[in-house]
Amino acid sequence: EAQVTQNPRYLITVTGKKLTVTCSQNMNHEYMSWYRQDPGLGLRQIYYSMNVEVTDKGDVPEGYKVSRKEKRNFPLILESPSPNQTSLYFCASSAVSYNEQFFGPGTRLTVL
Amino acid sequence: GENVEQHPSTLSVQEGDSAVIKCTYSDSASNYFPWYKQELGKGPQLIIDIRSNVGEKKDQRIAVTLNKTAKHFSLHITETQPEDSAVYFCAAKGERTGNQFYFGTGTSLTVIP
Repeated sequence: EAQVTQNPRYLITVTGKKLTVTCSQNMNHEYMSWYRQDPGLGLRQIYYSMNVEVTDKGDVPEGYKVSRKEKRNFPLILESPSPNQTSLYFCASSAVSYNEQFFGPGTRLTVL
Repeated sequence: GENVEQHPSTLSVQEGDSAVIKCTYSDSASNYFPWYKQELGKGPQLIIDIRSNVGEKKDQRIAVTLNKTAKHFSLHITETQPEDSAVYFCAAKGERTGNQFYFGTGTSLTVIP
């Protein structure tokens, strides 16, 4: 089944404790992206990647890191999480940037 | 960068009526405009998209119109059904912003049976 998977689905952590949210797609897509969703703000793009070893900042990259060492994986790293990073995070992928993005199920992160 | 505004934020319609959601964008170079539907507890899913060389696109009960001069695009849902109840997001992407997507703030649509 073609899909985007994210792990974990739920995470509660404390300020400053490094964490990684994994994202994997099995569709051989070149374009991958991370979004955060906050009430009243819609979806905001954090980082995106056009292909392996190519990543670019989105609208809200501060406090986040990404890497794209393999085509299928695009982890999101929070090296020192803060409470303002409490949010719902979505990973997405598409064949190319002008195609349909397939979204993962989301990761709900709470930073205390 | 780009700025996408979406209205209304909430919309209630009777089953069978039409629903219209409007978005405006600021960057005249934007050339790809997708619409996503998000059901409760799920990730967004593409329902229709339009490119700047097309003025209108239709897929069964769903249509999107694009006015490049006015820089706005709209989603039209006809003969609404209860299963159309969800949050809808518009988005824009263009050459000037690289490969970055800008989303609207969402419209919560409720279809009343």
